[in-house]
Amino acid sequence: GAVVSQHPSRVICKSGTSVKIECRSLDFQATTMFWYRQFPKQSLMLMATSNEGSKATYEQGVEKDKFLINHASLTLSTLTVTSAHPEDSSFYICSARRGEETQYFGPGTRLLVL
Amino acid sequence: ILNVEQSPQSLHVQEGDSTNFTCSFPSSNFYALHWYRWETAKSPEALFVMTLNGDEKKKGRISATLNTKEGYSYLYIKGSQPEDSATYLCAPYGQAGTALIFGKGTTLSVSS
Repeated sequence: GAVVSQHPSRVICKSGTSVKIECRSLDFQATTMFWYRQFPKQSLMLMATSNEGSKATYEQGVEKDKFLINHASLTLSTLTVTSAHPEDSSFYICSARRGEETQYFGPGTRLLVL
Repeated sequence: ILNVEQSPQSLHVQEGDSTNFTCSFPSSNFYALHWYRWETAKSPEALFVMTLNGDEKKKGRISATLNTKEGYSYLYIKGSQPEDSATYLCAPYGQAGTALIFGKGTTLSVSS
């Protein structure tokens, strides 16, 4: 299967700082990437869909000014959690899709905001 | 498709047991369904894409069936092994090109 990397795998930051998470498709060009968040004992919750070269589409209830998504190339999407607060602590995971095919997931990023 | 139900929520079996889980969804507006396996500390791995009513797909000891008329898919594991321990997620969707919306998953634990 296709390979998607995510960096960093784990990050601890102070409240009020911003954190950037990178998602890369390593062996294919991804026209669309997705960002999910997982709360404890919950499923993966879709946050936003990003298409290369255009603005991301956010799901209802997800603050676009809080979670900045950039998909500047066919192999890289970034999620920036701005002015992070403890309630933003969560597991964030990205996926990349080639055309209308299967979504390939990264390994996720564990964010802890102190 | 937002109303995705997976059952049971968790399951513990002994090595060698066969088991199955259910993914239920509204039968209207169905396009396809994905099954993923998510092992701890790894990326979710795609298992199957189911599209047609009556579809049955197999990958080693794991197989899946699909009933779009009644709105469910079954995932079967024959002769469970400890390495099958994972969370199994399903994601049915109603339109090509849309993002996958997942159920809460079934967490399987296999003891040796």
